[in-house]
Amino acid sequence: AQSVTQPDIHITVSEGASLELRCNYSYGATPYLFWYVQSPGQGLQLLLKYFSGDTLVQGIKGFEAEFKRSQSSFNLRKPSVHWSDAAEYFCAVRVNNAGNMLTFGGGTRLMVKP
Amino acid sequence: KAGVTQTPRYLIKTRGQQVTLSCSPISGHRSVSWYQQTPGQGLQFLFEYFSETQRNKGNFPGRFSGRQFSNSRSEMNVSTLELGDSALYLCASSLVVSTYNEQFFGPGTRLTVL
Repeated sequence: AQSVTQPDIHITVSEGASLELRCNYSYGATPYLFWYVQSPGQGLQLLLKYFSGDTLVQGIKGFEAEFKRSQSSFNLRKPSVHWSDAAEYFCAVRVNNAGNMLTFGGGTRLMVKP
Repeated sequence: KAGVTQTPRYLIKTRGQQVTLSCSPISGHRSVSWYQQTPGQGLQFLFEYFSETQRNKGNFPGRFSGRQFSNSRSEMNVSTLELGDSALYLCASSLVVSTYNEQFFGPGTRLTVL
C-alpha cells in the first residue's frame, strides 16, 4: 500500500525567507503527487500536482515542487515566504486503480515570523 | 461557479446518537469523496461515490455509510456515535473518477461528539 511521510510537523520561517517542505512517498510505481494547503477553518486548496513529464512543477501562489524518483520525494518550495502563507500543508498521493482516493501525509504547519 | 458546499458547518452530538452530513458538489461534477480529519489520525479517506454508486471505501467501520443522489449530492451517515468520531469531515468533488482529476474540497463539517 502507498504511504506519504512529511518529516517536519512544524516549521517556522521569517517573512521573505525561502521555504522547503519535505515529502516522501512509498509506492512501487510512479504515483500521482499533490500538494494542498489548509488555512484555519478552511478546506483544502490544491497548490500543484505532478502526473508525468517535467519533474519541476509550478503551482499557484508562487509555489513549486520537484519530483525526484530516486529519492521518492516531492518537496515543496517557495523562494520568498509571505505572512499569508502561514497555514498547514499536506502532501498527497494517488495511485492507479484507486479512483480519486488520496493518501495524505501528516501535514506540516508553517508559521511565518514578521 | 459555486464551490463545494457542506451542511451543516458545525454539529454537536452525544455518544450513541447518529448524524447525517450533506455535501453538494460543484455543478457538473459527478464524483464525491469523503475524508475524515482528526489531530491524531490526520486525513483519512472514507469513501467515494460516482453516479450513485460507491466506487471506493476506506478502512472505517460499518457505522460510517454514505450515499449519492441522482443530482450528485451526497450524504454521509455515522450511527452510534463515539467520542473518537469527533473530527472535521471534508467532502471533495470532481468531474469523474480518474487518476488525472483535480478534486475540489469543501470547507468541511466540524462534528463534536460529547
